[in-house]
Amino acid sequence: EVQLLESGGALVQPGGCLRLSCAASGFTFSTYAMAWVRQAPGKGLEWVSSLAPSGGITYYTDSVKGRFTISRDNSNHTLFLQLTSLRAEDTAVYYCAKGDSSVASYFGPWGRGTLVTVSS
Amino acid sequence: DIQMTQSPSSVSASVGDSLTITCRTGQTVNGFLAWYRQTPGTAPQLLISATSTLQGGVPSRFSGSGSGREFTLTISSLQPEDSATYYCQQGYSLPRTFGQGTKVEIK
Repeated sequence: EVQLLESGGALVQPGGCLRLSCAASGFTFSTYAMAWVRQAPGKGLEWVSSLAPSGGITYYTDSVKGRFTISRDNSNHTLFLQLTSLRAEDTAVYYCAKGDSSVASYFGPWGRGTLVTVSS
Repeated sequence: DIQMTQSPSSVSASVGDSLTITCRTGQTVNGFLAWYRQTPGTAPQLLISATSTLQGGVPSRFSGSGSGREFTLTISSLQPEDSATYYCQQGYSLPRTFGQGTKVEIK
């Protein structure tokens, strides 16, 4: 059974930084693209970033480019998202999701999410 | 970015009813269209990928169809556990984009 467990969410001040982690199990982690998708309180889903199986190719939504960095440790089956220069509008539950292939056209399963709150 | 527009935004239906949700895309997505279900306080669940491919474990009362820029999710014989918000998502180009969601309430 595929399991994804996010951690690292916290309350942080504007301009601050965080590192989110997603521990994966139940599948061959190194052969699938992975992604982060976020959901602001009471709002819909927003794709944030995807990463190729090797970790060599990354994609970001425009609003986080230059501020967020996605990475992975295939040896330890873990996905990361480094968040810097955080803004109030980054407040959301951040979900880790398995891509459907090496490209991540679709996402599933998802982890339970970790809450990032940006506030002074 | 490919705009995704779902309709209706919300709907109320009874157990046993059939329900259809529509997703219109701003440009063609070549069939790269998925549907997700999210119940309150839980993570989204992938129901259908590639327009009509039902994911493992998803009940057969869910079906997807469409082409070009218009796609539909149909739930036949609604069940109480189908009370949720449903999202469409295009997987054709970056950035991946989602519809705004359709909230389904069971009367």
